Amino acid sequence: ETGVTQSPTHLIKTRGQQVTLRCSSQSGHNTVSWYQQALGQGPQFIFQYYREEENGRGNFPPRFSGLQFPNYSSELNVNALELDDSALYLCASSLELEYEQYFGPGTRLTVT
Amino acid sequence: EDQVTQSPEALRLQEGESSSLNCSYTVSGLRGLFWYRQDPGKGPEFLFTLYSAGEEKEKERLKATLTKKESFLHITAPKPEDSATYLCAVRLNTGFQKLVFGTGTRLLVSP
Repeated sequence: ETGVTQSPTHLIKTRGQQVTLRCSSQSGHNTVSWYQQALGQGPQFIFQYYREEENGRGNFPPRFSGLQFPNYSSELNVNALELDDSALYLCASSLELEYEQYFGPGTRLTVT
Repeated sequence: EDQVTQSPEALRLQEGESSSLNCSYTVSGLRGLFWYRQDPGKGPEFLFTLYSAGEEKEKERLKATLTKKESFLHITAPKPEDSATYLCAVRLNTGFQKLVFGTGTRLLVSP
């Protein structure tokens, strides 16, 4: 069984640019959540998708947006990148809403 | 405000020296407490879920316990490969499955 995968592994962008991060859920999982983890901090919830619909959102501005596809893979899009967006972006999937979340390896984003 | 606090921030143990990590929380409506292990530069690895006070879960050298206000992760006779950051998270009683994380405890086990 394949776990949660994310791409790319690392990314360097310039302030003001846009970025798309991708996530493939664990097989059979219909719920995907995205988190931002700054260095030395715990992950912060960005938003969650359940069966292709946004199901909840944390305290992140609208320039953070996402999609979930029919195969339950997901994208995180960030527009107008700021220096503070530099972080590890984590995707987590779960079998259903009430089940435990399994995390991918993350995408390290650096904004210069 | 919902809050999760972990202590200590960092812990250094000798191999075989047992200890406990603490996770205290103040949340409105708990629907599960989770422990994760995170190695540097990697995603968190799921360890345990606890739902009600008095519940205990074990896995190899790790045992997690839960009270109404805090959880403990007990590490018995740790080995160097147990070195990692241990994260605690709570799931809130909202309409969606949001996890609120603490900042973690960095554990270093020396041979």
